[in-house]
Amino acid sequence: KQEVTQIPAALSVPEGENLVLNCSFTDSAIYNLQWFRQDPGKGLTSLLLIQSSQREQTSGRLNASLDKSSGRSTLYIAASQPGDSATYLCAVRQSQNFVFGPGTRLSVLP
Amino acid sequence: NAGVMQNPRHLVRRRGQEARLRCSPMKGHSHVYWYRQLPEEGLKFMVYLQKENIIDESGMPKERFSAEFPKEGPSILRIQQVVRGDSAAYFCASSPPSTSNYGYTFGSGTRLTVV
Repeated sequence: KQEVTQIPAALSVPEGENLVLNCSFTDSAIYNLQWFRQDPGKGLTSLLLIQSSQREQTSGRLNASLDKSSGRSTLYIAASQPGDSATYLCAVRQSQNFVFGPGTRLSVLP
Repeated sequence: NAGVMQNPRHLVRRRGQEARLRCSPMKGHSHVYWYRQLPEEGLKFMVYLQKENIIDESGMPKERFSAEFPKEGPSILRIQQVVRGDSAAYFCASSPPSTSNYGYTFGSGTRLTVV
């Protein structure tokens, strides 16, 4: 059974810092991995999708890497801004559906 | 191109009533997934449907919960005789056919409160 964990559970940083969020999964036989952002009381916004054959994906200040063999992904956020404050969720697709991690709650202080 | 549409956004039901949650997938998407997010918990898979077929309902409680995705119209998640523990955010996601290379697009969710 696939299990996804995320470290840290919560993170508070001053504006402008670069930061890394970590995601680990127990079964490396995945199709792809997706990072989402969730604002309080809102839905999920897709940030990046990495296929199992890819090593990384970039979008603006965000960069996600995937090391399938070790069961790890990282989301790198450059030059953080208060508007980045949200919960970041990692999800892996193994069969028909995604398995989600518990999320990292990020606060970027002005 | 409208995204995944869920309604209602908020739903209040008294214990024992029925709750019906609707999800219209993105245009061109024929696969629908329902997830539940309990307060302070992560998203848990409930059910995966294609048009007129339930593909995987392994995450759905055995009693009181049902889902359908008819040939015409939205997917419906139905909860009968709701209890306080059903209070949660219910999210729907859709994806196109040949799903293995695609990610999910989520709706904004329906927040169910049972009083």
